[in-house]
Amino acid sequence: AQSVAQPEDQVNVAEGNPLTVKCTYSVSGNPYLFWYVQYPNRGLQFLLKYITGDNLVKGSYGFEAEFNKSQTSFHLKKPSALVSDSALYFCAVRDMWKDTGRRALTFGSGTRLQVQP
Amino acid sequence: DAGVTQSPTHLIKTRGQQVTLRCSPKSGHDTVSWYQQALGQGPQFIFQYYEEEERQRGNFPDRFSGHQFPNYSSELNVNALLLGDSALYLCASSLGQGVNTEAFFGQGTRLTVV
Repeated sequence: AQSVAQPEDQVNVAEGNPLTVKCTYSVSGNPYLFWYVQYPNRGLQFLLKYITGDNLVKGSYGFEAEFNKSQTSFHLKKPSALVSDSALYFCAVRDMWKDTGRRALTFGSGTRLQVQP
Repeated sequence: DAGVTQSPTHLIKTRGQQVTLRCSPKSGHDTVSWYQQALGQGPQFIFQYYEEEERQRGNFPDRFSGHQFPNYSSELNVNALLLGDSALYLCASSLGQGVNTEAFFGQGTRLTVV
């Protein structure tokens, strides 16, 4: 079964320090990977995606993600964290449905990022 | 440009009742997906509508049904509500069903079943 794992429920980092939010995936074919952020009482906001090409993907608000095929990982990174980055982050993979070939997003359980001033 | 809008924002229902949630997609988007996000969990895919037909369905019972209208807006209906249906229901829209298409989410409807 195709799945996404976010091994850390919470990540704490000091403002100005680099941050990493981890994500690993399992798919049967080519991975199509996404990161979303959720602020309190809000829906999900798209940050970035990996479809093909460069392993380092740049996205919104200074975030980037590194795709590593051998480690089946897609970690979210930012060189310098801001207090305003504090939120819930979700990694997602676009599945290929074996019977129909159609697709849906499968999300991880989320990682809460806390950036301390 | 209006993004994805959902109504209502909050809803309280009693077990056994039926509920209808509504979603207007982002301008220009023709595909609508619905997700259920239980407290402390990631969103779970319910189903997707394109060209007024249900195209994909997640692991949800038939109590969950939907509809898409010619203007691409959509409804999610849940019958015979259970306490376990309490969750944030998210609507997402996209243009087409391409593999590299990102989904844009609404703010969600918080459903509480008592």
